[in-house]
Amino acid sequence: GAGVSQSPSNKVTEKGKDVELRCDPISGHTALYWYRQSLGQGLEFLIYFQGNSAPDKSGLPSDRFSAERTGGSVSTLTIQRTQQEDSAVYLCASSLYSRVDRGKNIQYFGAGTRLSVL
Amino acid sequence: DQQVKQNSPSLSVQEGRISILNCDYTNSMFDYFLWYKKYPAEGPTFLISISSIKDKNEDGRFTVFLNKSAKHLSLHIVPSQPGDSAVYFCAASGQGAQKLVFGQGTRLTINP
Repeated sequence: GAGVSQSPSNKVTEKGKDVELRCDPISGHTALYWYRQSLGQGLEFLIYFQGNSAPDKSGLPSDRFSAERTGGSVSTLTIQRTQQEDSAVYLCASSLYSRVDRGKNIQYFGAGTRLSVL
Repeated sequence: DQQVKQNSPSLSVQEGRISILNCDYTNSMFDYFLWYKKYPAEGPTFLISISSIKDKNEDGRFTVFLNKSAKHLSLHIVPSQPGDSAVYFCAASGQGAQKLVFGQGTRLTINP
């Protein structure tokens, strides 16, 4: 497929369990982003990967959250010891990258993973 | 600290009329602004963007206006169509950062 792919589309888990969310970016996109959208809220930045640079983790809400990007492509967001406040839609986006042409940095989003922590 | 604000949670417009969605920001370092449209159970879809060196950008039925002195931008949709019914998010970036800061969204409903 040509778009950003996320799996699973829905995840229900029990409080205290670990979860892994997967993102397949658009082929050729060097930048990858994770956001989350809680009920009735806007999108909240979590983490950003660009090429081989150190990721920008400034949006991760706690040390229970981590993410990795293997081989510059697929990314996994891991939430350890899930809490009820982690319930949200987790969205992944990817983009090309240019320091000069901001139009190349337009982020394209996947459909998201809806996480419900019971 | 809400750096990007969309103060209208919802807006209802008659088909064929103009829809105007508003967005305010507080961070003067933001230099690139985007509008995304979101349908239920789908990810946000890029609509239109504007750089801070411009005050207007137009793409078909969609026009974004930027007023830097007021730290305000707006999206105009003319004419509005039923398929435009969705949640619209305003987003901003700046200071060399790639991450986007989003507003809370405005739900637009186009009535036939």
